[in-house]
Amino acid sequence: QVQLQESGPGRVKPSETLSLTCTVSDGSMSFYYWSWIRQSPGKGLEWIGIYYKESTNYNPSLRSRVTISVETSRNQFSLRLSSVTAADTAVYYCARGGNLDRWGQGTPVTVTA
Amino acid sequence: QSVLTQPPSASGTPGQSVTISCSGGASNIGSRTVNWYQQFPGTAPKLLIYGNNQRPSGVPDRFSGSKSGSSASLAISGLQSEDEADYHCAAWDDSLNGWVFGGGTRLTVL
Repeated sequence: QVQLQESGPGRVKPSETLSLTCTVSDGSMSFYYWSWIRQSPGKGLEWIGIYYKESTNYNPSLRSRVTISVETSRNQFSLRLSSVTAADTAVYYCARGGNLDRWGQGTPVTVTA
Repeated sequence: QSVLTQPPSASGTPGQSVTISCSGGASNIGSRTVNWYQQFPGTAPKLLIYGNNQRPSGVPDRFSGSKSGSSASLAISGLQSEDEADYHCAAWDDSLNGWVFGGGTRLTVL
């Protein structure tokens, strides 16, 4: 069964850029949609963006600050979120597919000076 | 403020049935299928229901989903203590061209 694993720094300073990577355990990256989703403390889920076959789309509320990219050869896809503030403190998840049928375990990110 | 609306909490006693609602609009639930996710504290959401009423392999048939118009429901019958979790509804939104979620419902088994 495919495994997804997020990685990246647990703390980021305000105004800096958050960078996370999701590593996929099999070679299925070319066949699925790949999404980033976050969950702020005690709150609901928020979709950040999606990648599929060299095309991306982002949540309009984050579009000016978000970039999602894929390295198929390394079975990885990445998230970059610039100019972070405390409001970006959350657990960040990567998820697979048109039904978000597989999720990574999530990685907590705290924006703090 | 989440795009889809869920009650923040629900509860029931073991053996009872409970239903969780999810309300959206024409650009999401009204024109797309609904998924439900189960999330235990400190863990990632897990797909529970997809395509309004389909269960992935391994999900007990105590869990069922339905949709009518721009609203959807998750029903849990024969409630068990291990069902105590947060439940999130989700749907693709054609205006956003992305996923929208409900705020989540915390289910307590009394």
